[in-house]
Amino acid sequence: DIQMTQSPSSLPASLGDRVTITCRASQDIGNYLRWFQQKPGKSPRLMIYGATNLAAGVPSRFSGSRSGSDYSLTINSLESEDMAIYYCLQHNEYPYTFGAGTKLELK
Amino acid sequence: QVQLKESGPGLVQPSETLSLTCTVSGFSLTSYGVNWVRQPPGKGLEWMGTIWNDGSTDYNSALKSRLSISRDTSKSQVFLKMNSLQTEDTAIYLCARRGFAYWGQGTLVTVSS
Repeated sequence: DIQMTQSPSSLPASLGDRVTITCRASQDIGNYLRWFQQKPGKSPRLMIYGATNLAAGVPSRFSGSRSGSDYSLTINSLESEDMAIYYCLQHNEYPYTFGAGTKLELK
Repeated sequence: QVQLKESGPGLVQPSETLSLTCTVSGFSLTSYGVNWVRQPPGKGLEWMGTIWNDGSTDYNSALKSRLSISRDTSKSQVFLKMNSLQTEDTAIYLCARRGFAYWGQGTLVTVSS
């Protein structure tokens, strides 16, 4: 199975900060990488698809990038509504696998 | 608009079989596949399997021996059946349309005697 190593597991940050979350894939997954935001008691929300493409309705302060087997989600100018858990998902190969999650919280 | 809604028993006895239904609207199951994902309370997400628009299925190998996904296109319903449930199968079970842009609200299944 492809392992998605997500870091950090917890990320304290202040409003207005620029933050980056990373997932490293254990095998080649091309650009078959999605990012999700999940708030307490809610279902995941698709934020990024194809590693770099913003999903519909997602604010432009969110962006996705790739460097080799490292995939990153960056949030510019953090807002209070961005506090949530973020997960990556590889869907290049079965079984699809999620990262363990990053909890973004106010410092 | 696209909607998915999971339904099923909230409580299942250990060793018994779980049966869940995902009822969809706003799209056809013959055009889009549906995924099942689960999330133990306070933990991360696990992809369970997919039923594709042509009716074929793919399963997580860790669950494959216990899991079955099927559908009734006339009722716009996707079914999940998983046998030999144990306490570690306690989770919120979610269905999501192919692409994961649309999700149901999830249903909590507790495995306990």
